[in-house]
Amino acid sequence: DAGITQSPRHKVTETGTPVTLRCHQTENHRYMYWYRQDPGHGLRLIHYSYGVKDTDKGEVSDGYSVSRSKTEDFLLTLESATSSQTSVYFCAIRPELNSPLHFGNGTRLTVT
Amino acid sequence: GENVEQHPSTLSVQEGDSAVIKCTYSDSASNYFPWYKQELGKRPQLIIDIRSNVGEKKDQRIAVTLNKTAKHFSLHITETQPEDSAVYFCAASRQAGTALIFGKGTTLSVSS
Repeated sequence: DAGITQSPRHKVTETGTPVTLRCHQTENHRYMYWYRQDPGHGLRLIHYSYGVKDTDKGEVSDGYSVSRSKTEDFLLTLESATSSQTSVYFCAIRPELNSPLHFGNGTRLTVT
Repeated sequence: GENVEQHPSTLSVQEGDSAVIKCTYSDSASNYFPWYKQELGKRPQLIIDIRSNVGEKKDQRIAVTLNKTAKHFSLHITETQPEDSAVYFCAASRQAGTALIFGKGTTLSVSS
C-alpha cells in the first residue's frame, strides 16, 4: 500500500459542518496530493503539496483547504461541507517529479 | 493548465480481442504519461508509464505509444482477459511540474 493511510475510511456528515480528512505516509516523500473521484468526472486534483508548508491549488480547490505541517501528514479540510462535496477522496504520494503516484485506499464522504 | 481528454468512455470487447484507449493532452510541456487501472471499490494502480523521450513502451500484453507532435498517447491491451475489466485512466504531467492531471476514465468490459 506504499505506506499511505487515509482516515477515516468512511464518514457521513451534515451540510454546513466542518470536516477534516487525514493522509499519513511513512515513506518521507516530498509530494502529496488530494484528488476527488466522481462518476463521469474521473480523478480531479483538489490541492497538492511539494513540501512542509508548501501547497498549491488544483483543478477543483474551491471549498477546500489543506495543511502540511509535517512531512508525513497532509490534511484536507472542508470548512463547511456541502452536498456537492459528497465523493470519494484519494490521497496520493509521489517520490519525485515525473515518477508515478501511489494512491491510498480512499475516504468515502457523504454529506447529507 | 493541462487538460487531458480520454476516449472512449466505455469499451466492450470479447475475450482475446485487443482494446485501445486514446488520450490527448493540451500542454506541450508535458513529458510524463502514466496509465492507471482501477478495479471496482479499489484504489487506482499504475500499470504502465512513458516519458517523452520514448515513443513506445511495452510490458507483456500492455503497450503505450506516444506521439508528441500530435499530443496524444494510447494504451493497447492485447489478448484481453475478463480480469482486464476495470476503469482505466490516463494522465499527464508537465515538465518539472508537480500536478498530475487525469482523463475522465474508460470503463473496459471483457466478456468471455
